[in-house]
Amino acid sequence: KAGVTQTPRYLIKTRGQQVTLSCSPISGHRSVSWYQQTPGQGLQFLFEYFSETQRNKGNFPGRFSGRQFSNSRSEMNVSTLELGDSALYLCASSSGGGAGELFFGEGSRLTVL
Amino acid sequence: AQKVTQAQTEISVVEKEDVTLDCVYETRDTTYYLFWYKQPPSGELVFLIRRNSFDEQNEISGRYSWNFQKSTSSFNFTITASQVVDSAVYFCALSGPGGGSNYKLTFGKGTLLTVNP
Repeated sequence: KAGVTQTPRYLIKTRGQQVTLSCSPISGHRSVSWYQQTPGQGLQFLFEYFSETQRNKGNFPGRFSGRQFSNSRSEMNVSTLELGDSALYLCASSSGGGAGELFFGEGSRLTVL
Repeated sequence: AQKVTQAQTEISVVEKEDVTLDCVYETRDTTYYLFWYKQPPSGELVFLIRRNSFDEQNEISGRYSWNFQKSTSSFNFTITASQVVDSAVYFCALSGPGGGSNYKLTFGKGTLLTVNP
């Protein structure tokens, strides 16, 4: 079965712009989580959605937002981009029940100039 | 707050050597879950194992084995007879007791394992 698909894989933006990243979970999975990975901070949890509701949120400013659609696909948006937002953004999906085994996509690599 | 420490930043071994990756965690939860993930150069995190806090049995899966010791808050990972394909960054992670907190993983900084032929 198809894995987690993230688009775009690579993108370059300039400071002040905004960006939207997309994640299609594994078919049947209802939970989607987002993580930011940087060399300095490592992997950090952004937020998690289950059945279109945000269940958990990490410690990121309000410029980082997300949503989940009825088909479980999810998007995250970062507004007013800063240089420090350059990172690999990873999406993970799970069935949503019990202790989560997360299946990760290959990520979207964002470079902010 | 939860915390995961992987003290080994980089490890380099020669093929067929055994290697152990250390993981120490901190949490106030009595129920929690521990994970190991592998990240090859492609970037995708590959799930290796999940352990709940009530199951301290060691586990072996082929060349991989895990040693969970609640008394020392450690969850170490051993690769026996390492191979070049094992070269990757390995992450240890911790999550909370239930509901949405299951999916909020706290990751360690990772250990870069290089297996040389």
